[in-house]
Amino acid sequence: AQSVSQHNHHVILSEAASLELGCNYSYGGTVNLFWYVQYPGQHLQLLLKYFSGDPLVKGIKGFEAEFIKSKFSFNLRKPSVQWSDTAEYFCAVNAYSSASKIIFGSGTRLSIRP
Amino acid sequence: NAGVTQTPKFRVLKTGQSMTLLCAQDMNHEYMYWYRQDPGMGLRLIHYSVGEGTTAKGEVPDGYNVSRLKKQNFLLGLESAAPSQTSVYFCASSYSQLAGGHPNEQFFGPGTRLTVL
Repeated sequence: AQSVSQHNHHVILSEAASLELGCNYSYGGTVNLFWYVQYPGQHLQLLLKYFSGDPLVKGIKGFEAEFIKSKFSFNLRKPSVQWSDTAEYFCAVNAYSSASKIIFGSGTRLSIRP
Repeated sequence: NAGVTQTPKFRVLKTGQSMTLLCAQDMNHEYMYWYRQDPGMGLRLIHYSVGEGTTAKGEVPDGYNVSRLKKQNFLLGLESAAPSQTSVYFCASSYSQLAGGHPNEQFFGPGTRLTVL
């Protein structure tokens, strides 16, 4: 079945550590890719998105993600995390073969130790 | 602009009761979505709509019905609630930069926390 996988369920880091969260999808063909963040008690908001062009995309708050088509991956990175990055992070995919469906991964909870 | 609003914010139902969740957006977006969020399972798509008068099934549509009679509103109905439907429900809307194109970023509502006893 087509799916979006986030294998890291809970990541714990210290402040200033580097972050990489994995996202893999199983859809073939053209895809639009998104990363969303949900801070405690808040609703989801967009971090960044990839539609086409440069596979390295930059988003808000110093986050970036790299689309590697051959690996069906769209990993999220940040060189130095802050305590305020504590949140849940979701990868989402719109596969052109699935019309207007946007499917989310199971999420990764990020905890930052001050 | 209010963005995406959801009504109610909280609700407790007994098994077998019915209810309707209302989602409203004031951004003139074509696409609207209903998701449920459960611990460890992320957001799962229930139903979605690509325009007024149209709806389509998502990943977990069973037990739910939807209607989009007006472009700005997307209703999610539970005809006979079950404890398995205890969840947080999020509505989202999106737009396309090209007519008939694929959805762009989604804008989410604050969620409805539903408990079914």
